[in-house]
Amino acid sequence: EVQLVESGGGLVQPGGSLRLSCAASGFTFSNYWMSWVRQAPGKGLEWVANIKEDGSEKYYVDSVKGRFTISRDNAKNSLYLQMNSLRAEDTAVYYCVRHYYMDVWGKGTTVTVSS
Amino acid sequence: DIQMTQSPSSLSASVGDRVTITCRASQGISNYLAWFQQKPGKAPKSLIYAASNLQSGVPSKFSGSGSGTDFTLTISSLQPEDFATYYCQQYNSYPLTFGGGTKVEIK
Repeated sequence: EVQLVESGGGLVQPGGSLRLSCAASGFTFSNYWMSWVRQAPGKGLEWVANIKEDGSEKYYVDSVKGRFTISRDNAKNSLYLQMNSLRAEDTAVYYCVRHYYMDVWGKGTTVTVSS
Repeated sequence: DIQMTQSPSSLSASVGDRVTITCRASQGISNYLAWFQQKPGKAPKSLIYAASNLQSGVPSKFSGSGSGTDFTLTISSLQPEDFATYYCQQYNSYPLTFGGGTKVEIK
């Protein structure tokens, strides 16, 4: 079964950091672009970042550039999102998603930025 | 950035109705468009990619069409499990962007 499982969310103060992880299984992880998508409470979907199969290309939404870093470890079938300088507006459920046309989604991990 | 505009933002329909949701891109995106269904408290589910290709396991009552700037998602006969919010997404260029969503409610 194709599966993506996120972890690492939690409550963090403004200016703090978190590292999200996504464990992939059931498919050849190294063959796929991977993405992070977030959804603020009661709001729509927002693409955050994605990364090429070999990690050689990375793209970010403007609002997180310079603060978030996407990475992957193909040997561990894992995707990561390092989030620094967190702001209240980063509060959201963060989804790990396969491919840029987003065919497989994890269940999400919740990040709350609040003092 | 490419803006994706969905209409309507919400609709009320009855079981058995044919429902059409429209998504318009602010510039041409060829057929690089996907559709998703999201139920409350759940992750989105992929329905369609490349504007008209059904994802594996998605029932054929869902269909997509369009190219360039104008796209539609059609549900041929609405069933109780179809009441949800639907999103379109373009993957023609960065940043990848979503429409604002269409909430399909029971009449």
